[in-house]
Amino acid sequence: GQNIDQPTEMTATEGAIVQINCTYQTSGFNGLFWYQQHAGEAPTFLSYNVLDGLEEKGRFSSFLSRSKGYSYLLLKELQMKDSASYLCAVMDSNYQLIWGAGTKLIIKP
Amino acid sequence: DGGITQSPKYLFRKEGQNVTLSCEQNLNHDAMYWYRQDPGQGLRLIYYSQIVNDFQKGDIAEGYSVSREKKESFPLTVTSAQKNPTAFYLCASSWGLSGANVLTFGAGSRLTVL
Repeated sequence: GQNIDQPTEMTATEGAIVQINCTYQTSGFNGLFWYQQHAGEAPTFLSYNVLDGLEEKGRFSSFLSRSKGYSYLLLKELQMKDSASYLCAVMDSNYQLIWGAGTKLIIKP
Repeated sequence: DGGITQSPKYLFRKEGQNVTLSCEQNLNHDAMYWYRQDPGQGLRLIYYSQIVNDFQKGDIAEGYSVSREKKESFPLTVTSAQKNPTAFYLCASSWGLSGANVLTFGAGSRLTVL
């Protein structure tokens, strides 16, 4: 079966760096997405990786290793507004998105 | 501003009643989707549509129905046949089913069955 694994919850300190991991087993691969979702709100797009390597976008970076079935989202200079759930999703060979359960990130002052 | 509007934001239903959730987009996107989100689980696809007057079942379509009579609109009906309908429902749209298929989501509708 197809599976996406992420930690359920993580805690970090304001101003620090945090890495949220995502491992996947899917039927084929057509890209990996990260979305941010604040409680009770809509998910919003953060990043898309289809080739191996690191994609940097301001304070957020996303890394992909297709051979390892692994990605991470790196958040730098954490701010209180970064407290949210982070959703990892993989597009399989049929262009269907498979979603992880999300990682709830708690930022402490 | 372009976006997706879902209504109502909160909805309460008695058992045995059908309810319809509205989803309207002004992004000129071809594809639209309905997802269900439950605590501790990933988003699960209910239905999706790539073009007007055509739609496909997702992973959990039983107990739900949709229509796509206009490009902008993709309403979801939760029927009495859905055994556990209490959930957060998200509508989304995108340009199509290509690889870099970035979804734009609505704010969601929270349905509670009393």
